[in-house]
Amino acid sequence: DAGVTQSPTHLIKTRGQHVTLRCSPISGHKSVSWYQQVLGQGPQFIFQYYEKEERGRGNFPDRFSARQFPNYSSELNVNALLLGDSALYLCASSKKTFGINTGELFFGEGSRLTVL
Amino acid sequence: QQPVQSPQAVILREGEDAVINCSSSKALYSVHWYRQKHGEAPVFLMILLKGGEQKGHEKISASFNEKKQQSSLYLTASQLSYSGTYFCGTEILTGGGNKLTFGTGTQLKVEL
Repeated sequence: DAGVTQSPTHLIKTRGQHVTLRCSPISGHKSVSWYQQVLGQGPQFIFQYYEKEERGRGNFPDRFSARQFPNYSSELNVNALLLGDSALYLCASSKKTFGINTGELFFGEGSRLTVL
Repeated sequence: QQPVQSPQAVILREGEDAVINCSSSKALYSVHWYRQKHGEAPVFLMILLKGGEQKGHEKISASFNEKKQQSSLYLTASQLSYSGTYFCGTEILTGGGNKLTFGTGTQLKVEL
């Protein structure tokens, strides 16, 4: 079975631009969560979606938004990019939403964003 | 709200044991443990649920003290493959949604 797939794997943007990152969860998983990981730090929670609804949001500005599609894939959008947005963006899928016997998160390899 | 992990880093010789601690200031629903090798995605190790249920791997064990909001990961008879950064993730139920928040990580290096 295919794991969690993310695209693109690497991208370079300039300040002020917009970026869209994509994630396809494992087949049968209805939950997708997004994390930002800066080098040397733990993943920081951005969003969780379950059954196409937002179920959790981290402490990120409104420049960050996401959505989940009927096939459970997801997009993370970041507007007005700042240098500090440079990071590895990880997507994780799971069968259930947080708080209901969540179980294991399966992470994708991530999208590495560099903002110049 | 980020859980605090200790130690920040540890170096072991193959076969030695290690304990990694994770503590939170919030009431926890569950604690997750993941290991991330350099340049790779985090990989699930263990989940501990409120109420004592534990799910994970045979060679790695963990405890969850609900009263103290603390968890410890026990690595016994370490192997070279145990090297990596270990993260605990704390699951908190809030009125504004549920969150799984990861700690700052513990770098573990196992040497011959």
